[in-house]
Amino acid sequence: EAQVTQNPRYLITVTGKKLTVTCSQNMNHEYMSWYRQDPGLGLRQIYYSMNVEVTDKGDVPEGYKVSRKEKRNFPLILESPSPNQTSLYFCASSWRQGLENGYTFGSGTRLTVV
Amino acid sequence: KNEVEQSPQNLTAQEGEFITINCSYSVGISALHWLQQHPGGGIVSLFMLSSGKKKHGRLIATINIQEKHSSLHITASHPRDSAVYICAVGAQKLVFGQGTRLTINP
Repeated sequence: EAQVTQNPRYLITVTGKKLTVTCSQNMNHEYMSWYRQDPGLGLRQIYYSMNVEVTDKGDVPEGYKVSRKEKRNFPLILESPSPNQTSLYFCASSWRQGLENGYTFGSGTRLTVV
Repeated sequence: KNEVEQSPQNLTAQEGEFITINCSYSVGISALHWLQQHPGGGIVSLFMLSSGKKKHGRLIATINIQEKHSSLHITASHPRDSAVYICAVGAQKLVFGQGTRLTINP
């Protein structure tokens, strides 16, 4: 089944403890992206990647890192999480930056930083 | 002012009604996307538009590039259409509207 898999689905962590949210797709998509969703603010883009070893900042990259060492994986790294990074996170992938058939989204990761 | 504005923010209707959700944007775009977020949280791409009109089942999406406006229509609405509908503009960089929460009552 074609899908984007995010792990974990739920995570509660403490301030300052490094964490990684994984994202993997099995569709050979070249484009992958991370978003966060907050009440009242909607979805906002964190980072995106046009292909292996090519990444760029979205609108809210502060406090996050990404890497794209292989085509299928695009992990989101929070080196020193803070409570303002408590949010619902989505990973997505697509052909041609969504210009073919839109995006395939992961199921989301609900992160709480205490 | 947000770059992407949706209206209405909330919409409640009876089953069978014709639904229209609007999206206006202030930036130049390569594409406009309509997304559906289910009550459980999952997000699905419904349409990608760069011009004209697209139809999929009971859903129709239109875009007017000159007026910087797009509409999503749902014909013969059903309770299973209850969801948040999100407009987004761009391609590699996406800017999102705030979403429209649609509730269809039986």
